[in-house]
Amino acid sequence: SQQGEEDPQALSIQEGENATMNCSYKTSINNLQWYRQNSGRGLVHLILIRSNEREKHSGRLRVTLDTSKKSSSLLITASRAADTASYFCATDRVNTDKLIFGTGTRLQVFP
Amino acid sequence: GAGVSQSPSNKVTEKGKDVELRCDPISGHTALYWYRQRLGQGLEFLIYFQGNSAPDKSGLPSDRFSAERTGESVSTLTIQRTQQEDSAVYLCASRSGNSIYNEQFFGPGTRLTVL
Repeated sequence: SQQGEEDPQALSIQEGENATMNCSYKTSINNLQWYRQNSGRGLVHLILIRSNEREKHSGRLRVTLDTSKKSSSLLITASRAADTASYFCATDRVNTDKLIFGTGTRLQVFP
Repeated sequence: GAGVSQSPSNKVTEKGKDVELRCDPISGHTALYWYRQRLGQGLEFLIYFQGNSAPDKSGLPSDRFSAERTGESVSTLTIQRTQQEDSAVYLCASRSGNSIYNEQFFGPGTRLTVL
């Protein structure tokens, strides 16, 4: 079973609005990563946040991590139609070398 | 080279046949992963290779699934006696070195359809 759980499962917004996606996990982690997937194909890495970091920015992306609550959020500001995709969180658990992916959030941005 | 490549991009097979899926990682990447993604679902870890270490096969769903990797290059995922529930996109990813902070680079996937 997947460790990560994203919510919401689907999100529809208008261009220019902000999109917030959440991810929860169950075990201790080394880091948490967010990936984007277009059309059910290959994933593209967006951002990585280490377990000792609380917030990270990359362009229009802002990621937070709360290890006490075992949760993370991805905020996309000023969304664009091109941001339409599925977004997955993935955790790199302590003492393992593999990523465990969540079930994803499908984001639809309407022009 | 460019990125991770996979072949074929699409494969349609009949139930009971064997299939082989290929992954060419980024040159120099020692870590290679296989994932399965069923329609509308997240990625399911299958197997992980790191250099010359014994592979982590803990995600393989049954003994019909196997994978090989020659050194630090090409990997093949073999599914024997395919079943309809094997229909999915199979994704390969590679990563540089053994740092847990290095990102994984994904291939475009192989869409397998078992009739």
